[in-house]
Amino acid sequence: AQRVTQPEKLLSVFKGAPVELKCNYSYSGSPELFWYVQYSRQRLQLLLRHISRESIKGFTADLNKGETSFHLKKPFAQEEDSAMYYCALKDTGGFKTIFGAGTRLFVKA
Amino acid sequence: NAGVTQTPKFRVLKTGQSMTLLCAQDMNHEYMYWYRQDPGMGLRLIHYSVGEGTTAKGEVPDGYNVSRLKKQNFLLGLESAAPSQTSVYFCASTVSGTGVPGELFFGEGSRLTVL
Repeated sequence: AQRVTQPEKLLSVFKGAPVELKCNYSYSGSPELFWYVQYSRQRLQLLLRHISRESIKGFTADLNKGETSFHLKKPFAQEEDSAMYYCALKDTGGFKTIFGAGTRLFVKA
Repeated sequence: NAGVTQTPKFRVLKTGQSMTLLCAQDMNHEYMYWYRQDPGMGLRLIHYSVGEGTTAKGEVPDGYNVSRLKKQNFLLGLESAAPSQTSVYFCASTVSGTGVPGELFFGEGSRLTVL
């Protein structure tokens, strides 16, 4: 069955420190993986997707098929990165996107 | 360009009452979704639609019904609300087909409280 696991509900780091939000997935085919972010009082929005291999707002995420992971990383956290982050998996053969439970990132000054 | 619009944004119901949440998108997307967001559980898919006149069950469909009579609208209904349905509901849409980016576009959410 498809599953997305985000083991940390809350992650608190100091400004300027590196941050890594963990995401593991379970899927037998070729997944499309995404990170979505929800800032305070804003709607959920796409942060990045693995097929684009892009860096957005300093964040990167690499798909590791061997470890079935798609961790989100940023070398130097900023206070404005404080938000709720969701890892998501889209079934490329179907129509659904499944989300993890989310990780709340809090960046302290 | 409004994107995805949900109404109402807030609603308080008594147990047993019924209501409908409306989602409208102006991006000509084929696929539409209803999720609920609960603390510690993330977003869970309730129902979805892959085109006008079609609907399908997601992870947590019990107690909800949906309809997609027009391509731009996706309605979520609660026939007999229960306190367990207290949640924030999100509508989302995306383009169809394989080989295209699967980015979801979300509405602002509808906060429902069932007393």
